[in-house]
This record gives sequence, structure tokens and C-alpha cells, in this order.
Amino acid sequence: SAVISQKPSRDICQRGTSLTIQCQVDSQVTMMFWYRQQPGQSLTLIATANQGSEATYESGFVIDKFPISRPNLTFSTLTVSNMSPEDSSIYLCSLGADNEQFFGPGTRLTVL
Amino acid sequence: GENVEQHPSTLSVQEGDSAVIKCTYSDSASNYFPWYKQELGKRPQLIIDIRSNVGEKKDQRIAVTLNKTAKHFSLHITETQPEDSAVYFCAAERGSTLGRLYFGRGTQLTVWP
Repeated sequence: SAVISQKPSRDICQRGTSLTIQCQVDSQVTMMFWYRQQPGQSLTLIATANQGSEATYESGFVIDKFPISRPNLTFSTLTVSNMSPEDSSIYLCSLGADNEQFFGPGTRLTVL
Repeated sequence: GENVEQHPSTLSVQEGDSAVIKCTYSDSASNYFPWYKQELGKRPQLIIDIRSNVGEKKDQRIAVTLNKTAKHFSLHITETQPEDSAVYFCAAERGSTLGRLYFGRGTQLTVWP
């Protein structure tokens, strides 16, 4: 199984600011994924991050709002830009390994 | 994109009874269907999955069935225990990209002792 860590684990931010979330994996993976889980809701895929190319965003998510970096095969960042209270969610990175999808511990973001 | 419907949204059973959660999906190209268990404050954990070339899969007290023609799949938990209490999510993956999962809305399962 893969070991995934995220930083920060939680944060409280003011509206209008930006937060960058880091995801570190203990093995090299081609694709990493970013999901959002709003309070009491299901998980929604934000984008797919490939190393060496631009991220692919799902419908309803745009690069200006959620820029993603993937500098190498073990690391990715997701930035939540110009935050509003509606961005309060848990953000999880994810990857596939051994035919299984693993999730990071998540970053709990609260926007005031 | 894919649309995954999950029912029921809440389910309460007595310890020892069985629990069944059902999901439907819209995209016939989907070929991988995992089930996740999420306890409060924790990340989702895979409990069982099934691929489109298989109709049923079982792992101890947990089983999943898939009907590709009808585009629905179900989770069956037998001999439920209080530790089974959690939110369960079904998901469907489109195409061959492991990781692009579309989730159902979740089912809050409560097992009463």
C-alpha cells in the first residue's frame, strides 16, 4: 500500500486569501488526484495531476481557482485561490497503486 | 461525466442483521466499482471492489454484486456489527484511468447492539 501525507492537516483562512496544500507520497506514481469533500457530503474529483503536463480539471473546476503543481512523481500541490466560505471543505489527494485507490488523510479547510 | 446514484441515504439495522446498499451508474464505459467506508473524521478506506468482467465478489461478511446490463451494483454486509457503523460510498471509475472516481452520495449505516 502507499503512504500519503498532506500538509497542513487543517487551517482556518480569511476570505480572499489563498492556501496551498501539499501531498507527499512514499513511492513514485504517474497520476495523482485531488478530491474535495464538502461538510457532510460525498467526494468530488477536482482534477488529475500528471507529472510533466498540465492538470486535467473536471467540469465545474478551473485552473485559476485551483492551480495544481506536479513537479515530480512523489509530490503535488493544490492551491485554493481567492477563497470564500463556500470553499470550506476537506481536500484529499489520492493515487492508484496495486489496483487500489488510496486517499491521503485530508486537509480540513475553514474559510471565514 | 458519470452520474452515480446511491440508496438509501441512511440505514439502521440491528446487530446480526444484513445490510444492503444499492447504486446505479450512467456511463456504460465504467468498468471498475469500488466501495469505501468512511468513519467520522477519517479518510475513506476501500472495503471491496468489483470489475466489469465479474458479477459477484465476496470477502468474508462483505459482498458486492454487479449487473452491467442494468448498470447497478450493490453492497451486502451480513452479520452486521456495531463496528460496521460508518458512511459507505459507492463509486464508479470511467475508462482505464485508475483514480478518476465518481462517488455516490453516501449511506450512513448505523448498527444497533
